[in-house]
Amino acid sequence: KQEVTQIPAALSVPEGENLVLNCSFTDSAIYNLQWFRQDPGKGLTSLLLIQSSQREQTSGRLNASLDKSSGRSTLYIAASQPGDSATYLCAFFLSNDYKLSFGAGTTVTVRA
Amino acid sequence: GAGVSQSPSNKVTEKGKDVELRCDPISGHTALYWYRQSLGQGLEFLIYFQGNSAPDKSGLPSDRFSAERTGGSVSTLTIQRTQQEDSAVYLCASSLQRYNEQFFGPGTRLTVL
Repeated sequence: KQEVTQIPAALSVPEGENLVLNCSFTDSAIYNLQWFRQDPGKGLTSLLLIQSSQREQTSGRLNASLDKSSGRSTLYIAASQPGDSATYLCAFFLSNDYKLSFGAGTTVTVRA
Repeated sequence: GAGVSQSPSNKVTEKGKDVELRCDPISGHTALYWYRQSLGQGLEFLIYFQGNSAPDKSGLPSDRFSAERTGGSVSTLTIQRTQQEDSAVYLCASSLQRYNEQFFGPGTRLTVL
C-alpha cells in the first residue's frame, strides 16, 4: 500500500517568510501528483498538478517539485501571507491506479 | 465555469435512518470520485465512476453504502441504516479523464446522532 507522509504536521511562520512543505512516498511508480489546500470547513482547492514526466510546476508564488527517485515532492510558497494559512495536502496517482492517495496534510499558520 | 457542487452542505440524521448525498460534477468531466474525510483522519477513497463503465466500489466500507451515477453526470451516494461512525465530511471530485487534475466540491458534512 502506498504510504504518503507529510512533514511537518504543522508550521507557523511570520508573514513574508518562505514556506517549504515536504511530502514523501514509498512507491516510486508515481504517475501524477497533485497539491491541494483546504480551508477550515471547506473542500479541497487544487493548487498544482505535476505530471510524471515533469520535475516541477509553477503557479504564481507557488512552486512544486517532484523527485521520483528519492520519493519526494516539495511545495514552496514564496513571501507568505496570512491568506496562505490553511492545510496543504499532497496526493498521488500510482501508475496502475486512478484514485488519489493522500497525505495527512501540513497545517500552516502565517502570522501577520 | 461552474465547479463541482454538492448538496446538502450539512445533514444531521438519527442513527438507523437512510441518507442521500448528491454531487454535480463539472460539465464534460467523465471521471467522478467520492471520498470521505473523518475527524482526525485523512481522505479515504470510496468509489470511482468513469464514463459508462462499471464503477470501482472497492473503497466502500460496508454494504450499507451504495452510489449511482445517472446519465454520466449527477451522482448520488446513499448510506442506509446510518451509524455514528458514518459521521464525516463526504467529498465529491471530478476530472476530465482519469489521472487528470481532480476538482473537489465543498463537501457534505454528515452528522449521525
